Amino acid sequence: SAVISQKPSRDICQRGTSLTIQCQVDSQVTMMFWYRQQPGQSLTLIATANQGSEATYESGFVIDKFPISRPNLTFSTLTVSNMSPEDSSIYLCSVRPGLSYEQYFGPGTRLTVT
Amino acid sequence: DAKTTQPTSMDCAEGRAANLPCNHSTISGNEYVYWYRQIHSQGPQYIIHGLKNNETNEMASLIITEDRKSSTLILPHATLRDTAVYYCIVRVEDTGRRALTFGSGTRLQVQP
Repeated sequence: SAVISQKPSRDICQRGTSLTIQCQVDSQVTMMFWYRQQPGQSLTLIATANQGSEATYESGFVIDKFPISRPNLTFSTLTVSNMSPEDSSIYLCSVRPGLSYEQYFGPGTRLTVT
Repeated sequence: DAKTTQPTSMDCAEGRAANLPCNHSTISGNEYVYWYRQIHSQGPQYIIHGLKNNETNEMASLIITEDRKSSTLILPHATLRDTAVYYCIVRVEDTGRRALTFGSGTRLQVQP
C-alpha cells in the first residue's frame, strides 16, 4: 500500500502567479502520476514522473506550464505556472507501487485562481 | 485500453444492493476490469478488479459476463457513505508502468 500526502490542501491564487504543489509518499515508488480534475469533470492525466528522468506529458499539457520535479523516490512537485482562472481545479498525485495492481491517490490540492 | 460505457447517474435506497453496470464490448483477452470510486473531495479509491471470474472482497462483488463484454459492480448493502462517482476502467495489467485513464463514471446517490 501507499499513503500519499499533498501540500497545500487548497489555495486561492491570483492570475499570473505560480503555485507549487508537493506530493510525499510513505514508500519508495518508481512512477508517480499527476492528474487534474476540473470542476464537475473526471480526472485527466497531466504527466508521469519517473525518478531520475524528465516527466512525460500527456497531449495538451506542456512542461513550461506544468513543470514537475522528481528528486527522489518518495517526493515530487508540480508547479502550475502563470495561472489563469481556467487552471482552477483539483490537482491529484498518484502512485502505483512496485507490482501492485492498485493505484493510490493523494487527497488532492484544490486550486482557485482569481 | 478498451472503451467503457457507464450510466451517468443512478440512485439506490440505503440498505439495498446497488448494481452498477459497465459495457466494454471491445475488451481484449488480456484486459482486466477495474473499479474505482471517488467520494466527494477525496482522491479515487480502488474497489475491485477481475479478468473473467467473478470476484468478491469486503467492499463489493464484481460480476463479469461470460463473453466479458460487460460487467456489474455490486455493493450488497449500500450506505450513505457509498455515495460517490464509480469508475469502470479496462486495461492490460502492466505492473504499474502506466497511469489509469478515467472516463466519466457513474454518479451513485444513496438515498436515506
